[in-house]
This record gives sequence, structure tokens and C-alpha cells, in this order.
Amino acid sequence: GENVEQHPSTLSVQEGDSAVIKCTYSDSASNYFPWYKQELGKGPQLIIDIRSNVGEKKDQRIAVTLNKTAKHFSLHITETQPEDSAVYFCAASINNDMRFGAGTRLTVKP
Amino acid sequence: DVKVTQSSRYLVKRTGEKVFLECVQDMDHENMFWYRQDPGLGLRLIYFSYDVKMKEKGDIPEGYSVSREKKERFSLILESASTNQTSMYLCATNNMVGTEAFFGQGTRLTVV
Repeated sequence: GENVEQHPSTLSVQEGDSAVIKCTYSDSASNYFPWYKQELGKGPQLIIDIRSNVGEKKDQRIAVTLNKTAKHFSLHITETQPEDSAVYFCAASINNDMRFGAGTRLTVKP
Repeated sequence: DVKVTQSSRYLVKRTGEKVFLECVQDMDHENMFWYRQDPGLGLRLIYFSYDVKMKEKGDIPEGYSVSREKKERFSLILESASTNQTSMYLCATNNMVGTEAFFGQGTRLTVV
């Protein structure tokens, strides 16, 4: 089955700096790559997603890039704010099977 | 807004008990999932269901079973709870392959 690896496991940045989280996947048939944000005491919520026919997608301060050849995708957050502090999960999906990375705890210091 | 409701936020059970975790969604979604979340391991898929009475094993089905008698409800059953099943359990749902999954708030289960 699909295997998703995510790095780093923790990331600390100063407010206003950029943050980058990277994921790799194993199954070249995966075709949907969402990113989820989990705040304390809540379930994960989708923040951005990308499909395998697209190389990059941007939504305000958040962007995701996908390299199908290398089987890796990344989340970029620019101009980070304290409210961006949370755990972020990447995922790779094929058919009904969605597998998640281990998560990155992002801390944005004011 | 899609609402995914898990029956309990916190649950404490004794070793050997049979435990039921309930999940209800209000958006008529086809697919429902149960994940287990542990620090450093992310979300691991236990079971998923793509239709009423249908189920598929995920990565870690041992010690668990599921039931989906109605489209809106997906239950996770721990047949005989053990301490290594102490964890956060998350239910999720989506309507189609390759679309956003909506999560419940989670149930933190402690087995003593």
C-alpha cells in the first residue's frame, strides 16, 4: 500500500518568516494530495489540496507544489502568523485509500 | 457545512471491555473512515466503508471491527479493549474518491 513520509516532525519559525514542510509518497498511482491543519482539541481540517495533473497551487499565503517524477510534494506558508501554529499533515490518496504522513508540529514565535 | 459527530470526546474503559465508538455524518457522504492518531505516527487507517454494509481493512485492523448499517453512521468496535489501544480515534467522511475528507473532533480513549 501507499507509504507517506513527512519532514520535519517539528518546525519553529519567527513570525513573518516562511515555513516549508515536505512529503514523499511511494505509489505512483496516487492522484490526490491534500494538506490538513489540526489545531489543539480539534479534528484535522483541509487547508489546500492538489491533484496529480497540476504542479503547483496557491491560496493566499499557502502554496503546494507537486513533483510527480520524484514523488514528492511540499507545503509552503509565507508570512507566518502565530495562528498558523498547529500540526500539519500531508496525505496521498488513490481511490478510497487515503494515507497520511506522521505530521509536523509548526510553532510560530511572535 | 458538513458535520461529523463522534459520540464521545473522552472515554475511559477497562481492559477486556467491549467498546463502541460512534460516528454520525449529516451530508449523505458515501465514504466513511476510522483513523487512529498517535504521536509520531500520524493518522493510521483502521477501516473504511464505501457503502452501507461494506467495509475494507486499513493498515491496522487487528483488534477492531466496524459496522455500517445506515449510510450516516459508522461504528468502530473494540472487541476486547487492551491498554495498547489507548489513543485518539478520528472519524472522517468524504463523498467521492479524491475529494476533501471531513473529520470529527476525535475521541480520546484511555484503556486502564
